[in-house]
Amino acid sequence: DGGITQSPKYLFRKEGQNVTLSCEQNLNHDAMYWYRQDPGQGLRLIYYSQIVNDFQKGDIAEGYSVSREKKESFPLTVTSAQKNPTAFYLCASSIAGGRFQPQHFGDGTRLSIL
Amino acid sequence: DAKTTQPTSMDCAEGRAANLPCNHSTISGNEYVYWYRQIHSQGPQYIIHGLKNNETNEMASLIITEDRKSSTLILPHATLRDTAVYYCIVIISSGSARQLTFGSGTQLTVLP
Repeated sequence: DGGITQSPKYLFRKEGQNVTLSCEQNLNHDAMYWYRQDPGQGLRLIYYSQIVNDFQKGDIAEGYSVSREKKESFPLTVTSAQKNPTAFYLCASSIAGGRFQPQHFGDGTRLSIL
Repeated sequence: DAKTTQPTSMDCAEGRAANLPCNHSTISGNEYVYWYRQIHSQGPQYIIHGLKNNETNEMASLIITEDRKSSTLILPHATLRDTAVYYCIVIISSGSARQLTFGSGTQLTVLP
């Protein structure tokens, strides 16, 4: 079945440590997104990519980095510069084009600080 | 993107139709109505979208009023697994990569 796979489901980070969250999709979608969701709140866009080797910052990109070397993969690194990284991280993908297309989500990674 | 207003919570008996309303009185002509839901600790799930005609798929039906200022998502035979927060959002149709902005949504609880 086609879908979006995020791993790990739970992740713990020590102070000063970088961690990388994985996102893989087999939907053949061009566009991929990373969102952050805090308890009881909506989604905030971190980064998005419409094509391989290209990505743009969202509203809260500081302290995060991404790469898009393959169409299927869009990993997110939470760096030590992100002072409040505890959150639920969601990856999404969609068909890219001139018209908005539905975004489909993975099941998320919950990141906590030790 | 236009703002939406939804009730905070609703209950529905299992097996009955769940009708979730959404007001979007400032919607413009090129904005679509999208519905997503989020089950606790999972990623949001796309349900359905429409512009001005009623739409139906395997999950739900979407009824949009003629003036497009409100819509209703209908789950025809609600099950316990439909318990979730349902988000109605309005998105302009042009431009492929856009941030999804969820409001507070409606917590639907399906009761046995």
